[in-house]
Amino acid sequence: EPEVTQTPSHQVTQMGQEVILRCVPISNHLYFYWYRQILGQKVEFLVSFYNNEISEKSEIFDDQFSVERPDGSNFTLKIRSTKLEDSAMYFCASQREGVGYEQYFGPGTRLTVT
Amino acid sequence: AQSVSQHNHHVILSEAASLELGCNYSYGGTVNLFWYVQYPGQHLQLLLKYFSGDPLVKGIKGFEAEFIKSKFSFNLRKPSVQWSDTAEYFCAVNARRNAGNMLTFGGGTRLMVKP
Repeated sequence: EPEVTQTPSHQVTQMGQEVILRCVPISNHLYFYWYRQILGQKVEFLVSFYNNEISEKSEIFDDQFSVERPDGSNFTLKIRSTKLEDSAMYFCASQREGVGYEQYFGPGTRLTVT
Repeated sequence: AQSVSQHNHHVILSEAASLELGCNYSYGGTVNLFWYVQYPGQHLQLLLKYFSGDPLVKGIKGFEAEFIKSKFSFNLRKPSVQWSDTAEYFCAVNARRNAGNMLTFGGGTRLMVKP
């Protein structure tokens, strides 16, 4: 069964550094999402992406964040200048077009900002 | 804005016990409802979903959930749990518009099943 994959599984970075988290969605899916879960807190929506543009974003997704689909397979989340509070598990998800389909989640990337 | 509440943060059961996990949501419009499960070391997987039709939905591994619109609830049930059901369970909702809508998650319930 096709799966969403994410790399790396764990990223450690220093405060102020840029990080890029990578995701490969399921190949026939057209909607892409990033969520994050800070330790002990709820899974929170960051951004959704469709037709090569952001379709919805949360308050968390400020100017430090950006998303890109640089080729036909990858979907990336960039954090320009990481802060301690960006430490979290970041989940990518993808979804088929049409009503009645669920989002499929990747295994997550644990980001630790020191 | 949507919100989802899961009342039980931790549940401990013995094998063969019955399970019911509560989920209530708040949203002014029509919603789609989901239960996802995360087994230790694995990613979020869909257990079941409700979009329309019969409010009693059956999912994988013997789980079912009932949508009660008047109570804004979507509780998860299983008549007899197994040790392998040990996991974290998340209720989630999104607005029933076109596809591509953000999910709002509850805080999760950690279930431990003792053998």
